[in-house]
Amino acid sequence: ETGVTQSPTHLIKTRGQQVTLRCSSQSGHNTVSWYQQALGQGPQFIFQYYREEENGRGNFPPRFSGLQFPNYSSELNVNALELDDSALYLCASSLGGVTEAFFGQGTRLTVV
Amino acid sequence: QKEVEQDPGPLSVPEGAIVSLNCTYSNSAFQYFMWYRQYSRKGPELLMYTYSSGNKEDGRFTAQVDKSSKYISLFIRDSQPSDSATYLCAMSGPTDKLIFGTGTRLQVFP
Repeated sequence: ETGVTQSPTHLIKTRGQQVTLRCSSQSGHNTVSWYQQALGQGPQFIFQYYREEENGRGNFPPRFSGLQFPNYSSELNVNALELDDSALYLCASSLGGVTEAFFGQGTRLTVV
Repeated sequence: QKEVEQDPGPLSVPEGAIVSLNCTYSNSAFQYFMWYRQYSRKGPELLMYTYSSGNKEDGRFTAQVDKSSKYISLFIRDSQPSDSATYLCAMSGPTDKLIFGTGTRLQVFP
């Protein structure tokens, strides 16, 4: 088990709603990255936070936004949910770069 | 064309077999190469990473990187039923984000 915890583990939302996912990073890690994993696919990079600043973003629309707190925990917010947002959302924490990134168990989001 | 290509499988082998998992990539800027194992409904677990070309061994697992061919491999010796999972290759370069393959589903039967 890694020290990365995500909440909630499962979530069902209606199209058009907003959702907030949370991630507690491993102790001592200052970098958090978020990934979206659709069924049968590899994780896709959403964005990364390093010491509370966004440090890179993937090909996701602005309705995907995030935050990192002084204790390095992080939130992922998604507005105006679409059916295609249904996926496993993964948080990974690391110290500096992503070479040794440790993932949480993920939040499975279903949009109906 | 995807930056990272990985055969999705599934791959089914008997217990004790040697398993070979592979990925190809197109971006020559990739410098770090990782292998993750993902059990059903769980997050990916880092198995090992390699910098640049060469081999790295950890127990029953060996990772190989051939940058000239843009090809990486993971070998699992003496495979066990507990190795049954999806194996994801991932790579990173100057942008410091992980680019994953689609994953190969492996089943080891007793």
